[in-house]
Amino acid sequence: AQRVTQPEKLLSVFKGAPVELKCNYSYSGSPELFWYVQYSRQRLQLLLRHISRESIKGFTADLNKGETSFHLKKPFAQEEDSAMYYCALSGNSNSGYALNFGKGTSLLVTP
Amino acid sequence: DTGVSQNPRHKITKRGQNVTFRCDPISEHNRLYWYRQTLGQGPEFLTYFQNEAQLEKSRLLSDRFSAERPKGSFSTLEIQRTEQGDSAMYLCASSLDSWDSRYSYEQYFGPGTRLTVT
Repeated sequence: AQRVTQPEKLLSVFKGAPVELKCNYSYSGSPELFWYVQYSRQRLQLLLRHISRESIKGFTADLNKGETSFHLKKPFAQEEDSAMYYCALSGNSNSGYALNFGKGTSLLVTP
Repeated sequence: DTGVSQNPRHKITKRGQNVTFRCDPISEHNRLYWYRQTLGQGPEFLTYFQNEAQLEKSRLLSDRFSAERPKGSFSTLEIQRTEQGDSAMYLCASSLDSWDSRYSYEQYFGPGTRLTVT
């Protein structure tokens, strides 16, 4: 069965500090993983996906199949990074690639 | 605004009443998804459409729930005989068809409809 685990409900860091939001998954096939972000009073939006290997707003995430992890990292947090972050795993074509989300981690960056 | 839109944004209803929500996807998107999000949880998949065909339903979608997408454009989600446990944010998302079965395209989410059942 598919499962996405985000162990931290809340992560609080100081501005300029490194950030790591943890995500572990279980999936029997070849996983496709995403990070979605929801800023205050805004809709859920894609931050990055593992196949693109991009760095968005300074965030990166590497898929580690051995550890079944897809942790989100940023070397220097900014106040505008404060938001709710969701790790998500895509289902296969039979489910139309429906997303299976973790419970989310609320990131608070304080000055 | 050319993004996904949802109406109404908020709905308060009494237990036992029926409610209907509407989602207008991005116009060229073939796929449309419904998710439900309760407090402290991530969104949970309910159902998805490929054009007008409803191709997958989650076990979360009880018999009281029905979704349609006539003509492959907008979609409606109806909940009959609402219960307090139905109180949640209902999210709609749309995406393009995937040209490669190994990968999916980005899902674009609407603002959601918040349902409160009293």
